[in-house]
Amino acid sequence: GIQVEQSPPDLILQEGANSTLRCNFSDSVNNLQWFHQNPWGQLINLFYIPSGTKQNGRLSATTVATERYSLLYISSSQTTDSGVYFCAVERWETSGSRLTFGEGTQLTVNP
Amino acid sequence: EAGVAQSPRYKIIEKRQSVAFWCNPISGHATLYWYQQILGQGPKLLIQFQNNGVVDDSQLPKDRFSAERLKGVDSTLKIQPAKLEDSAVYLCASSRRLVPTGELFFGEGSRLTVL
Repeated sequence: GIQVEQSPPDLILQEGANSTLRCNFSDSVNNLQWFHQNPWGQLINLFYIPSGTKQNGRLSATTVATERYSLLYISSSQTTDSGVYFCAVERWETSGSRLTFGEGTQLTVNP
Repeated sequence: EAGVAQSPRYKIIEKRQSVAFWCNPISGHATLYWYQQILGQGPKLLIQFQNNGVVDDSQLPKDRFSAERLKGVDSTLKIQPAKLEDSAVYLCASSRRLVPTGELFFGEGSRLTVL
């Protein structure tokens, strides 16, 4: 099956710093999503981004499908950004569509 | 709109006992997923429904896990008998359609501890 690798596995920042999280995938994909899992375990969809760049406030994401990677940018980080960030890639198969998650990047933002 | 509802939030059982988790997806969402998330790992798909039919259950340990989605709305995931390695968070998610998936919405999860 497709392999999804996220880096770095852990990241510690001071409030106000910027960061870039990376997601590499081993095969072509039809779609890609970024999620944030807060410290209480809730997974929230951040971006649905098969290609190109999207922005939502202090967060933006870029997917370069031809080169099999996606980047999540967090600017002016806040303590509430702490948690685990997952990317998930979607592949359409004869039986339907399957999402495969990476192992995540654990982000800690200190005040 | 109301989100994905799951219950119970927490469950502690002893090995070889059984447990059931319930999920109510967002209204109108045709596709429902059950994921298992072990501590420190990404979610792993267990089973995927389109309305009340199973689309993908290739990673479901069928000797002990079962799931159903009667009437194409609510779903139940059962584990019987439970093993220590089943300790995890069981996440239910839903999306509007099957292909493409579209945005995936998750419930808060059901945390299972097997002693």
